[in-house]
Amino acid sequence: AQSVTQLDSQVPVFEEAPVELRCNYSSSVSVYLFWYVQYPNQGLQLLLKYLSGSTLVKGINGFEAEFNKSQTSFHLRKPSVHISDTAEYFCAVASYGGSQGNLIFGKGTKLSVKP
Amino acid sequence: DAGITQSPRHKVTETGTPVTLRCHQTENHRYMYWYRQDPGHGLRLIHYSYGVKDTDKGEVSDGYSVSRSKTEDFLLTLESATSSQTSVYFCAISDGQGQETQYFGPGTRLLVL
Repeated sequence: AQSVTQLDSQVPVFEEAPVELRCNYSSSVSVYLFWYVQYPNQGLQLLLKYLSGSTLVKGINGFEAEFNKSQTSFHLRKPSVHISDTAEYFCAVASYGGSQGNLIFGKGTKLSVKP
Repeated sequence: DAGITQSPRHKVTETGTPVTLRCHQTENHRYMYWYRQDPGHGLRLIHYSYGVKDTDKGEVSDGYSVSRSKTEDFLLTLESATSSQTSVYFCAISDGQGQETQYFGPGTRLLVL
């Protein structure tokens, strides 16, 4: 079985500062990794995903994430945040094949960008 | 945006009454999912479907049933609503499991009094 831990429930940051949202996962099999974003009163949308290959993945809105297999981490980063990045961010994991291919979500990190 | 609609978008009901939420897609995706979102819990899978009439349980399926009679529609039923089922419910669709992206609907806010 897989599990996902998002280490910070809330991250406040000032506009134009860098940010890192941390995600660790646990799984006995190989996994795919995802970051989703949820803006207030909306559904989730995909930011980026890691399937294989290069461990640095670039996504939408200037976000990127790095897969670290030895540390079982998939941290999300942005070098300079905007007010519009205020949202809740979810890390998720899915294993290869079968019903285990269903997504398992972390509990979310609320990013609050202040002027 | 993926063509996913959920109805109703908001509902208030009383304990013990049956409630049905509908998810409709226009993308012809094979997989459909129902999640609930609660503060401090993230999203948890209730049930999912991998084809017409093919469904399976997720992590928090107790008290819920689902049906899928057409590719485009996935219904979630609370047979006898309880206050613990007050939540925001999201439908999602995908072309497959694992590496495939899930696309989410706008959500349904359900309040059980």
